[in-house]
Amino acid sequence: DGGITQSPKYLFRKEGQNVTLSCEQNLNHDAMYWYRQDPGQGLRLIYYSQIVNDFQKGDIAEGYSVSREKKESFPLTVTSAQKNPTAFYLCASRMVGGTGELFFGEGSRLTVL
Amino acid sequence: AQSVTQPDIHITVSEGASLELRCNYSYGATPYLFWYVQSPGQGLQLLLKYFSGDTLVQGIKGFEAEFKRSQSSFNLRKPSVHWSDAAEYFCAVGARGTGGNQFYFGTGTSLTVIP
Repeated sequence: DGGITQSPKYLFRKEGQNVTLSCEQNLNHDAMYWYRQDPGQGLRLIYYSQIVNDFQKGDIAEGYSVSREKKESFPLTVTSAQKNPTAFYLCASRMVGGTGELFFGEGSRLTVL
Repeated sequence: AQSVTQPDIHITVSEGASLELRCNYSYGATPYLFWYVQSPGQGLQLLLKYFSGDTLVQGIKGFEAEFKRSQSSFNLRKPSVHWSDAAEYFCAVGARGTGGNQFYFGTGTSLTVIP
C-alpha cells in the first residue's frame, strides 16, 4: 500500500543531542513537508521541499535542518539549537499541481529529557 | 495575510445529534479548502476537499461541508454523530496555482461525543 512512513514513533533525547526523524513516501509525490504540532497551536510548518536537492524554510525553521537527496525521502534533524524540541512531528507529501491535498504520516513524538 | 480560524476550541455533542464545526478563512482569491481529522497520537486524515464547482461537498464517514464565498466560510457538518467521531478536526486552506507550496491550518476543534 502506498503511504508515508515516519520513524521512530517515539523518541527520547537528552538535552544537547541532535536527533533525526525519518520520513519515507512511496506515493511518487513531488513535494514533502515537515510540521510541528503542539497542543492548542495547530500545525506549524518547519521546512518543505518541492524537488530533490531543494528545500525552503517554513515559519519555524530555526533549530532544524533537512535534506532531500531522494524523491521519496525527507529526513528532519532536530538540532541542539532548538530550544523547545519536545513536540509531535508530522511529515506530509503532495503531488504538485492536480488536487494537491496533503497526505500525512502517523507522526513522531519527540521528548527531551 | 492568509489565515484560518476555527472559533470553537472544544465541542461536546451527544451521540446521534447533529454536528457543525465552523471554519473561516482569509485568502486573496478562492483557495483550495480542506477538512482533516486526527485521532490522538495519529496523523491527519483527509475528510473532504473543495476546489471548484458545487459548493456542497461530500466526504468520508458521512461528513459534508459547504463553501460560502460571501462569508469566507467552510463549515463541516454531520447529521448524526457516532461515538467514533470523537477526534480533533482541522480546517485548512491551500494556495492555488503551480506554486501551491503552503497550506494554512486552523488551530483545531476537539470533539467529544457523549453517550
